[in-house]
Amino acid sequence: NAGVTQTPKFRILKIGQSMTLQCAQDMNHEYMSWYRQDPGMGLKLIYYSVGAGITDKGEVPNGYNVSRSTTEDFPLRLLSAAPSQTSVYFCASSPFRDTRGPEKLFFGSGTQLSVL
Amino acid sequence: GESVGLHLPTLSVQEGDNSIINCAYSNSASDYFIWYKQESGKGPQFIIDIRSNMDKRQGQRVTVLLNKTVKHLSLQIAATQPGDSAVYFCAENTPPGGGNKLTFGTGTQLKVEL
Repeated sequence: NAGVTQTPKFRILKIGQSMTLQCAQDMNHEYMSWYRQDPGMGLKLIYYSVGAGITDKGEVPNGYNVSRSTTEDFPLRLLSAAPSQTSVYFCASSPFRDTRGPEKLFFGSGTQLSVL
Repeated sequence: GESVGLHLPTLSVQEGDNSIINCAYSNSASDYFIWYKQESGKGPQFIIDIRSNMDKRQGQRVTVLLNKTVKHLSLQIAATQPGDSAVYFCAENTPPGGGNKLTFGTGTQLKVEL
């Protein structure tokens, strides 16, 4: 299993540009999420999904959009890049069984994004 | 809103010593806690987790202690090795949650001195 795969690893954007960060997992996990990590800080939740066709906002959703058309893929779209979106973005997945309670997240290796 | 926080931003230990990394949480309704290790340029790696119905859980060289009375979580690493050098994050899940949403603390840098 490759686990959680994120592409690209690095990207530089100009202000106002849009782009899509890709995330794919091959563990058949129902739950997927996107976090951002600013320098020297913890991770903040952007969006999450508990299954195909279902998405919801996290703590910092403004300026982003997501879709979940398949179990495997959960792309994150930046609508109009701003310098405040310079960060490292992590995708994560986990099994999700509502009766069992929360379980550990498996993280990808991250996408480092700079907006200039 | 409520958040998870850490007491010490940097912890330096001698190789072979035991390390203790502390974490304070403020939401008494949180039901799940987890520790991650993050090496430079990499994504967080799972270390150990614990549910709120437990006080202690042990893994290989690691132990997590949960004190719900004072809302405190700690990670103990036995016989610390150079490979343990990293940033360690605690995180919590607070119901109703909606899946596996985790709220992360700001992290503690562990430095292992030879």
